[in-house]
Amino acid sequence: AQRVTQVQSTGSSQWGEVTLDCSYETSEYSYLILWYRQLFSGEMVFLIYQPSFDTQNQRSGHYSVVFQKSFKSISLVISASQPEDSGTYFCALSELTGDSNYQLIWGSGTKLIIKP
Amino acid sequence: EAAVTQSPRNKVAVTGGKVTLSCNQTNNHNNMYWYRQDTGHGLRLIHYSYGAGSTEKGDIPDGYKASRPSQENFSLILELATPSQTSVYFCASGDGRGDAETLYFGSGTRLTVL
Repeated sequence: AQRVTQVQSTGSSQWGEVTLDCSYETSEYSYLILWYRQLFSGEMVFLIYQPSFDTQNQRSGHYSVVFQKSFKSISLVISASQPEDSGTYFCALSELTGDSNYQLIWGSGTKLIIKP
Repeated sequence: EAAVTQSPRNKVAVTGGKVTLSCNQTNNHNNMYWYRQDTGHGLRLIHYSYGAGSTEKGDIPDGYKASRPSQENFSLILELATPSQTSVYFCASGDGRGDAETLYFGSGTRLTVL
């Protein structure tokens, strides 16, 4: 069973606000959720992260998150979306393993198409 | 600017052949990772390294070896390639900031094993 779950695909129109959902499973109290975007070239680019201990939703440029810790859910919000924001967005859970290392568990990604 | 370069970009191999995927980073990061990406799956970790001379097994290491001869270079080796290893492979370097580590990815290598 997947521990990080994302919707397969979604779309929007230019200038709209886009919300991409991610749900996860963890028994850790402290963890991070990170968002990456995969460009059409294949390259993955880091966008934003949310620490579990932080009650404030993080923002970075026109990206923000809505973090619902009690539901183990987080959404990436893209404001004023542009066609250039099209791509596949990945949610990843970072948690501490038994041997004191951090591991990333990736969702399968949401393909986003922004139409002009 | 941070840079991770993978080679080759595309590779076609035959079953039973040896394949080496190369990765070079100019970020001076200690941590490096090899992932594979398949449709319907997130990135899956194959091997990783904490520095020159070190390699560690990830979640799906079977059928793969890794080599980290220097800080800059990290290779993934398929000694006996199989069609099930057809995939897109990504190398990444990490800035080592614990749980908030940011990964910098290469552009991927598309491997087809016939």
